[in-house]
Amino acid sequence: AQSVAQPEDQVNVAEGNPLTVKCTYSVSGNPYLFWYVQYPNRGLQFLLKYITGDNLVKGSYGFEAEFNKSQTSFHLKKPSALVSDSALYFCAVRGGSYNTDKLIFGTGTRLQVFP
Amino acid sequence: DAGVTQSPTHLIKTRGQQVTLRCSPKSGHDTVSWYQQALGQGPQFIFQYYEEEERQRGNFPDRFSGHQFPNYSSELNVNALLLGDSALYLCASSQQGLTEAFFGQGTRLTVV
Repeated sequence: AQSVAQPEDQVNVAEGNPLTVKCTYSVSGNPYLFWYVQYPNRGLQFLLKYITGDNLVKGSYGFEAEFNKSQTSFHLKKPSALVSDSALYFCAVRGGSYNTDKLIFGTGTRLQVFP
Repeated sequence: DAGVTQSPTHLIKTRGQQVTLRCSPKSGHDTVSWYQQALGQGPQFIFQYYEEEERQRGNFPDRFSGHQFPNYSSELNVNALLLGDSALYLCASSQQGLTEAFFGQGTRLTVV
């Protein structure tokens, strides 16, 4: 069965420092991986995806993610954090072979960026 | 271009009652999925509608049902509400040929 794990409930980082939010996955077949961000009392906003190709994927708001097949990881990164990046981040994997198949989410990581 | 819109934004219901939540997908999208997000948890897949039929279903009881209309909009119905049904209900739309789903702002359901 497909699954994702986000091992950190919360990540704290100072503004201007690089940030990493971790995600590992378990899938049969090729993984289709996603990152979403959720601000308080809001829905999920799509940040980026890995389908195939380059292992470093660039997304919205300066975020990027590195796909590592040998470590089954898809960590979210940003070179310089902003206070406005503080939010809840979810990693997700597509649950089947169709491109509209359900998403399976991790439990989320709360990112807190301190001024 | 309007994104995914959901209504209402907030709702309070009593145990045993029934509720209907609504979703209009992003323009051009033909597939609607519903997710339940309990407090402190990641979203859990409820079901997906395509061409007015339920195509996939997650591990939710039959009290949860849905519908998709010819204009691709969708409803989620929950019967015999339980306190544990209190959650944020998210609608996501997508289309064939696209890999990412776009989410609405959600409906916060509180069962008392």
